[in-house]
Amino acid sequence: EAQVTQNPRYLITVTGKKLTVTCSQNMNHEYMSWYRQDPGLGLRQIYYSMNVEVTDKGDVPEGYKVSRKEKRNFPLILESPSPNQTSLYFCASSISSGGSIEQFFGPGTRLTVL
Amino acid sequence: QKEVEQDPGPLSVPEGAIVSLNCTYSNSAFQYFMWYRQYSRKGPELLMYTYSSGNKEDGRFTAQVDKSSKYISLFIRDSQPSDSATYLCAISSYNTDKLIFGTGTRLQVFP
Repeated sequence: EAQVTQNPRYLITVTGKKLTVTCSQNMNHEYMSWYRQDPGLGLRQIYYSMNVEVTDKGDVPEGYKVSRKEKRNFPLILESPSPNQTSLYFCASSISSGGSIEQFFGPGTRLTVL
Repeated sequence: QKEVEQDPGPLSVPEGAIVSLNCTYSNSAFQYFMWYRQYSRKGPELLMYTYSSGNKEDGRFTAQVDKSSKYISLFIRDSQPSDSATYLCAISSYNTDKLIFGTGTRLQVFP
């Protein structure tokens, strides 16, 4: 089954404790992206990757890191999480570019930073 | 000014009603107009899209774009409780590197 998977689905952590949210897709997509979704603010792009070893900042990159060492994986790293990073996070992929009509989203990771 | 604006709702309608969801956008260069549907505790999924102006119909759903007024709409006929979800509009053009999403409208259809 073609899908984007994320882990963990739910995470409660404390300020300053490094964490990684994993994302994997099995569709051989070149483009992958991370979003956060907050009430009233909608989906905001954090980082994106056009291909392996090619990443770039989205609209809200502060406090986040990413890497793209393999085509299928695109982990999101919070080196020192803070309460304002409490949010619902989505990983997405598309076949070729970020402007592609269809992006495939993972199920989401709900992060709470205390 | 935001590139795309969407009324957040929530919108609550009885089963069988016609629902109209709307977005406005600011940049006339955009050519692709999408509607994504997001069920609770799920990621968004593409519902339908249109290119440039005009209407597109898919079963009970009709997407409409009016480029002259920079207005996009999604109509749902004979709405069902299973249509209860958040609907996000999204826009892009062939030379952009990302989709621009509206904030989403939460729709509830009650029996």
